[in-house]
Amino acid sequence: GQQLNQSPQSMFIQEGEDVSMNCTSSSIFNTWLWYKQDPGEGPVLLIALYKAGELTSNGRLTAQFGITRKDSFLNISASIPSDVGIYFCAGQRDTNAGKSTFGDGTTLTVKP
Amino acid sequence: DAGVTQSPTHLIKTRGQQVTLRCSPKSGHDTVSWYQQALGQGPQFIFQYYEEEERQRGNFPDRFSGHQFPNYSSELNVNALLLGDSALYLCASSLDPGISYEQYFGPGTRLTVT
Repeated sequence: GQQLNQSPQSMFIQEGEDVSMNCTSSSIFNTWLWYKQDPGEGPVLLIALYKAGELTSNGRLTAQFGITRKDSFLNISASIPSDVGIYFCAGQRDTNAGKSTFGDGTTLTVKP
Repeated sequence: DAGVTQSPTHLIKTRGQQVTLRCSPKSGHDTVSWYQQALGQGPQFIFQYYEEEERQRGNFPDRFSGHQFPNYSSELNVNALLLGDSALYLCASSLDPGISYEQYFGPGTRLTVT
């Protein structure tokens, strides 16, 4: 079964607000990936993190690789309507390189 | 630069039948992974192909099998379909994990088993 816990499960926010979501695991991952999935589409890679403590930005998105290597965080600043979708975290271990373990997602709704 | 493509887009099958799904990786990628995504859940890893061989496998029965061709494209085969096999099947391509862990997904094939 799934080993990654994402929270919150869903969020309803006003356009312009900032968003924070996180992903925790009972075991260590050496790579963290954040994806966004729109209805009827495959997940789109947003940010990849490779080192504990690493903070990486992609436009209005910022993600951090937790120092324990058991968690990761994604922040979205100044949300806009097109941010609507499901955000997934995924972790990889060196021993299973290329196999991503996914959380069950955070569903984001942005009200104009 | 073509991204990951999958065919067909949608498929309806009956219990007990067999199905084949196809994937072409992103240009320059040589590794293909398959995932099953049930409604309301995150994708679950089925298996990964590299150099035409299955390199890793998730917790899926032998009814799920695959193949990779010399041009790096791949097929996923599912035999003796069950109702529970209804899901979105995603293909992801990447470079050899010794180079990069970033995986890029196709749009998926929606399989419905009745």
